[in-house]
Amino acid sequence: AQKITQTQPGMFVQEKEAVTLDCTYDTSDQSYGLFWYKQPSSGEMIFLIYQGSYDEQNATEGRYSLNFQKARKSANLVISASQLGDSAMYFCAMREGRDYKLSFGAGTTVTVRA
Amino acid sequence: GAVVSQHPSRVICKSGTSVKIECRSLDFQATTMFWYRQFPKKSLMLMATSNEGSKATYEQGVEKDKFLINHASLTLSTLTVTSAHPEDSSFYICSASLANSYNEQFFGPGTRLTVL
Repeated sequence: AQKITQTQPGMFVQEKEAVTLDCTYDTSDQSYGLFWYKQPSSGEMIFLIYQGSYDEQNATEGRYSLNFQKARKSANLVISASQLGDSAMYFCAMREGRDYKLSFGAGTTVTVRA
Repeated sequence: GAVVSQHPSRVICKSGTSVKIECRSLDFQATTMFWYRQFPKKSLMLMATSNEGSKATYEQGVEKDKFLINHASLTLSTLTVTSAHPEDSSFYICSASLANSYNEQFFGPGTRLTVL
């Protein structure tokens, strides 16, 4: 079974608008971590935001916020005030228990239009 | 933040040759490093987990004799693609974890391998 599901292969967003990228996960571990990474066309993986399973507050990092809904097992990424430089592929990933390994979703390609 | 480098960034080789890719943690010690493979517009597929001083742990379906991984020091892991064929052409990315830190994983810039 897929551990991380990203159902949106591609999205278009207007500059300065907000966009929400969906991510649902599947785990039986009580302790886990959720990550979002950005991958521009250059290929590098850029860490955006992290949410631990025991964190009560939703994580925020600048224009990025994570909408963590534990009961629904979802960890959606919200990018506010989109910029042209936000055009990239975005991956949701999960670490389970004491395992360092990350499981990645299929990714969502975001294109920001001027 | 912690920096991970990869060398080379791009390599083109002939079918049948072997190619070595290096992954270095520049300013921290990485007891665990990971190797991923990524096809165009696809997700990252974990190939193996590399622990310093011990044998790598390969994911199901990954040929360990084809993809040799060595993690000889706390700052260097290498992936050797042996007898490369065109189907091995891909983007290879490494990442490194800080010791005892489950919440941080730092990625290298990737290596694009093209086998002719």
